[in-house]
Amino acid sequence: GNSVTQMEGPVTLSEEAFLTINCTYTATGYPSLFWYVQYPGEGLQLLLKATKADDKGSNKGFEATYRKETTSFHLEKGSVQVSDSAVYFCALSAQAGTALIFGKGTTLSVSS
Amino acid sequence: DADVTQTPRNRITKTGKRIMLECSQTKGHDRMYWYRQDPGLGLRLIYYSFDVKDINKGEISDGYSVSRQAQAKFSLSLESAIPNQTALYFCATSDLIRTGTGELFFGEGSRLTVL
Repeated sequence: GNSVTQMEGPVTLSEEAFLTINCTYTATGYPSLFWYVQYPGEGLQLLLKATKADDKGSNKGFEATYRKETTSFHLEKGSVQVSDSAVYFCALSAQAGTALIFGKGTTLSVSS
Repeated sequence: DADVTQTPRNRITKTGKRIMLECSQTKGHDRMYWYRQDPGLGLRLIYYSFDVKDINKGEISDGYSVSRQAQAKFSLSLESAIPNQTALYFCATSDLIRTGTGELFFGEGSRLTVL
């Protein structure tokens, strides 16, 4: 079946460090891929998305590239800030309009 | 005001009680979802609805029921709550035509504790 696997946390970084959160997926066909972020005490909000192979999603300094050959959608940011501390979820939609399947989430903690 | 509103935001109840969590949206989206979040397990789909007359079970529907009272309202019920239903519950909406990808828009969550 369809699934998402993301690296376990917590990830602890110092401010201005480079961030990578790994995400791989299993799906038939050509899924759409998403990264969501959940700040403390809040709901999830879309961070970025990509709908086809080699697409790069980007937002707020975060980037992720849809790699079909490695079935991956790793999240990166060149210089993290304390305000980036949150839980990050990778997700896929196996077919257009189907319910999203989420990974287990990765907690990021950034200290100054 | 939030586009996707969940009530109550927090609820403590006892085993065996009936609980309803309500969700309303002003986004005009046709699709609505209920997920639960547990530490270390991520988000798991309970039920979803693509329009008022459409209800579908998700990954973990046992012990839950839903009602789509109108396009804008989707409620989740626990007929007889049990402690392992203690979790953070999220309502979400989507509109494939407007977004092209079916991305979800979430409410702020309802924290339920069953004693």
